Formats: sequence, C-alpha cells, structure tokens
Amino acid sequence: DAKTTQPNSMESNEEEPVHLPCNHSTISGTDYIHWYRQLPSQGPEYVIHGLTSNVNNRMASLAIAEDRKSSTLILHRATLRDAAVYYCILSASMDSSYKLIFGSGTRLLVRP
Amino acid sequence: DTGVSQNPRHKITKRGQNVTFRCDPISEHNRLYWYRQTLGQGPEFLTYFQNEAQLEKSRLLSDRFSAERPKGSFSTLEIQRTEQGDSAMYLCASSLGGRAEAFFGQGTRLTVV
Repeated sequence: DAKTTQPNSMESNEEEPVHLPCNHSTISGTDYIHWYRQLPSQGPEYVIHGLTSNVNNRMASLAIAEDRKSSTLILHRATLRDAAVYYCILSASMDSSYKLIFGSGTRLLVRP
Repeated sequence: DTGVSQNPRHKITKRGQNVTFRCDPISEHNRLYWYRQTLGQGPEFLTYFQNEAQLEKSRLLSDRFSAERPKGSFSTLEIQRTEQGDSAMYLCASSLGGRAEAFFGQGTRLTVV
C-alpha cells in the first residue's frame, strides 16, 4: 500500500488559515488522495478527496502538487472545532475494496 | 439521525468472554467496513463487505474474530475468547460504491479486564 508522511502535530490560531502537508512520493498514477479528520471521541469524518486537480468544498481545499508526490489540505479559517487529527490517505487504484489505510495523522491544535 | 449507528458504545468484559458488536450502516450503502483503533494510532482495516459478501479480511483478523452481514443490512463483529490485547475502539463505516466517501460510526470501545 502506498504510504503517506505527515507531521505529528501542528498549531494554528483561531480564524487563521491552516496548511496541512502530506508527502506521498510512491503514489501511483491512479491513486486518489483522501483526507479524513477525527475529532476527540468521534469516528473519522470525510473532509475532501482528489486525483490531480485542486479541489474545493465547504470544509476545505485540497492542493495537489503537479507531480502528485505531495498535497496540502487548506482550512481557510480555523475554528476551535477544527481541532482534530487529520489523516492523509491514498486509496489504491488496484484495490477494489477501496479500504482506507490510515497512518498516524497530524494532530491540529487551534489556539483561541 | 440517518448516520452509521454502532452498539453498544462501550463494553467491558472479562478476559476469555465472547463479545458481539453491531453496526447499522446508512440504509442504501452497499459497502461496509470494520476498523480497529488503539490509543494514539490511526484506525486499522479489519474486514469489508459488499452487500452480504465478505470480500476481504485483514491478517489482523485472527480466527477468534468473525463478522457477518446477513441480507446486506446490519453487520455484527464477534470476538471469541477475548484477550487484553483486543481492547480497542472498533469502528464501522459504510459507503455507496467504491470511491464514495465513507461514513463512520462513533465506534464501540472495548475494554478487556
């Protein structure tokens, strides 16, 4: 399974943008990049996913490098409710189960 | 609420006892996944169903673990002869189709004493 590398933790101030990086140098050409987050005592929650082009939704934006070896999840204005562990996940294109292989993620702390 | 529902939310059991967890996915979702999460780690894949068929099982799923999804609706995960190492959060997720987003339940926290 293709692996991702994320910083263990990051901090941000409330109402400021947050850029969460993810390296995935072994990504294959048809692997999708998914981001999920997990708030304390909750199950993971879908944030966004993409293949090659940058993606925006109501929660966040996903910026994908041209060579696809890295990506960045952008929270445009962090709130205290965004404090969570953020997971960057690759879904293996040849894996018909589309199971999610989680790493350790990035723990985001948001300061008021 | 039409999200993924898991019961019970918490379970404390003595070592050697059997336990069973239930997951009710979102009703139209054909795919159902079980994951296990220990403290400080990301969730680990255990098994996956498409409709009623169990199509993949992780090596983590020893022969003490069994999962079913009769009629492609709710699913159960049973652990026989529980061990302290089975203590974890057991998460269920469902999705409609392959690359669709997965919806997770809040999990069942198992403590084996």
